[in-house]
Amino acid sequence: AQSVTQLGSHVSVSEGALVLLRCNYSSSVPPYLFWYVQYPNQGLQLLLKYTSAATLVKGINGFEAEFKKSETSFHLTKPSAHMSDAAEYFCAVSEGTGNQFYFGTGTSLTVIP
Amino acid sequence: GAGVSQSPSNKVTEKGKDVELRCDPISGHTALYWYRQSLGQGLEFLIYFQGNSAPDKSGLPSDRFSAERTGGSVSTLTIQRTQQEDSAVYLCASSLVGVLAGGGTDTQYFGPGTRLTVL
Repeated sequence: AQSVTQLGSHVSVSEGALVLLRCNYSSSVPPYLFWYVQYPNQGLQLLLKYTSAATLVKGINGFEAEFKKSETSFHLTKPSAHMSDAAEYFCAVSEGTGNQFYFGTGTSLTVIP
Repeated sequence: GAGVSQSPSNKVTEKGKDVELRCDPISGHTALYWYRQSLGQGLEFLIYFQGNSAPDKSGLPSDRFSAERTGGSVSTLTIQRTQQEDSAVYLCASSLVGVLAGGGTDTQYFGPGTRLTVL
């Protein structure tokens, strides 16, 4: 069975500060992992995905995530937050041979000027 | 447009009425997914289509919910005898291959959603 846990439903950071959004997963097989972003009044967009290649994945808008098998984590980071990063972020997992994606409950990021 | 579209964008209905939500996937995408996003909740998987067939209906909350897809393209999600707890944003996504076809890395592209409010 798969599941995704996002620690912290709300995260606030100052503009220019490090962004760290946490995601832990459980999966019985090597997973495929995704981060999606949902800007206000917009649909979900793929930020990045891990597909068993490099463990450090770079995505759009300066975000990156590192797959750590030993910690079953796929945390999302960005070195310097921008006001435009304020959005809802969702982590998702798929086993590939399954038939659905499992999403976390989301983390709302607020950027303080 | 090239993206996934959904209609209507907003729907307000009275308890007990039936509603129909539409999704137009990206042309050529064989897989189509419906999700529900309730206030303060994550994305809840509802149903998945591979072509016109739905191999996984396990996420449908009750028998009031049904979905179909015709011509490998447009899909409709129907909710009969709506209840207040059905109020949510219903999201549709499509992907090129779909997970059952070995597309575990397949990227899902999401539509803007339909906000359903049941009074």
